[in-house]
Amino acid sequence: QVQLRESGPGLVKPSETLSLTCTVSGGSMTVDHWTWIRQPPGKGLEWCGYVYNTGTTNYNPSLKGRVSISVDTSKNQFSLKLSSVTSADTAVYYCARYQMVSGVFDVWGQGTLVGVSS
Amino acid sequence: DIQMTQSPSSLSASVGDRVTITCRASQSISRYLNWYQQKPGKAPKLLIYSTSSLQTGVPPRFSGSGSGTDFTLTISTLQPEDFATYYCQQSYDTLYTFGQGTKLEIK
Repeated sequence: QVQLRESGPGLVKPSETLSLTCTVSGGSMTVDHWTWIRQPPGKGLEWCGYVYNTGTTNYNPSLKGRVSISVDTSKNQFSLKLSSVTSADTAVYYCARYQMVSGVFDVWGQGTLVGVSS
Repeated sequence: DIQMTQSPSSLSASVGDRVTITCRASQSISRYLNWYQQKPGKAPKLLIYSTSSLQTGVPPRFSGSGSGTDFTLTISTLQPEDFATYYCQQSYDTLYTFGQGTKLEIK
């Protein structure tokens, strides 16, 4: 079955760019939306955006143009970049599959905590 | 964007109790409503999709209902492993949004 695993730095300096990669195993990336969702410590879930295998993207306007998600189907990976980070971007970042048939986030990575601090 | 509001924010209950969590959407979302369970330090897990369909492997003590703007998640007989935080999520709009969560604690 499909499994997801996030990777990337656990600490980013303020005003810099947060970069994470999600590796997909056990399945194809040719369908469904590949998404990033984050969760600040002790708080709820916020959808950041998704990418389709064609490279089509959709982002949460709350991230004010700072977010970019890309896909590399040859490596079975998709990536998140969030620029100009502040302490408010400290969160556990999850990658997840949004299954378009059912309209659900049905497969999740284990999550990776990214802190923003100098 | 569609705002999702859950109530209560927290709930204390005992093993064997029947509990209901409510989720309200800021506009009609038909039946495009999903429920997730999250335990500390873990990723959310899909429980129910399209308002009332149980994800494979989810025990039948979980059920969902509703349509339009008002939805409920019911756990008929609480088990020790059910103490967790529950989130609703709408998939009506592609700006996907979650409720703020309901933390279910042991009384």
